[in-house]
Amino acid sequence: DIVMTQSPLSLPVTPGEPASISCRSSQSLLHSNGNNYLEWYLQKPGQSPQLLIHLGSNRASGVPDRFSGSGSGTDFTLKISRVEAEDVGLYYCMQCLQTPFTFGPGTDVDIK
Amino acid sequence: QISLKESGPTLVKPTQTLTLTCTFSGFTLSTSGVAVGWIRQPPGKAPECLAVIYGNDDKRCSPSLKSRLSITKDTSKNQVVLTMTNMDPADTATYYCAHRRNSAFDIWGQGTMVTVSS
Repeated sequence: DIVMTQSPLSLPVTPGEPASISCRSSQSLLHSNGNNYLEWYLQKPGQSPQLLIHLGSNRASGVPDRFSGSGSGTDFTLKISRVEAEDVGLYYCMQCLQTPFTFGPGTDVDIK
Repeated sequence: QISLKESGPTLVKPTQTLTLTCTFSGFTLSTSGVAVGWIRQPPGKAPECLAVIYGNDDKRCSPSLKSRLSITKDTSKNQVVLTMTNMDPADTATYYCAHRRNSAFDIWGQGTMVTVSS
């Protein structure tokens, strides 16, 4: 199985400031078609996960443009340009290159 | 508008078989590239993808759970059924079904909490 790791696991943030989460995979997620099969999800308290980013850098429909995904191969980053209070929750990366799809351990983002 | 809803027992005993149904609307599984997946999340832990089924009946399952899992679809009823045998307390989790398209689980159900206990 592809193992996903994230850092940091806990991230206190200040509203209005930027924030960044790193995700690494034990194998390259770059397919021969040029796509990176990496997704980012946010799970707000008491809610189901919601898709933020797919194929490494494609923002999902309705996701604010303060969220951006980047990276390729085994190293990926989710950036929030200016954190808002509604952005608190658990952020997960997930690889979908190989079965089983595997999630990272999550990064807990909360307000300082 | 796409929506999915999970249904099934909230409590099962160890060694019993769990059957969960995902009833969806707003899309058809016969559309190319569309799938429904089952993902579970034990309390306080990260999600785990259990199985995904496509309209052409292509199925992708967690190899470690493959011997215990079954995923089927009923296109006429807009339902996907997950069956997991030999349930154990370690299988206690919230079970979600989700719509998958363009390499993403873009719409999730609300989830159903399943507790395994005697």
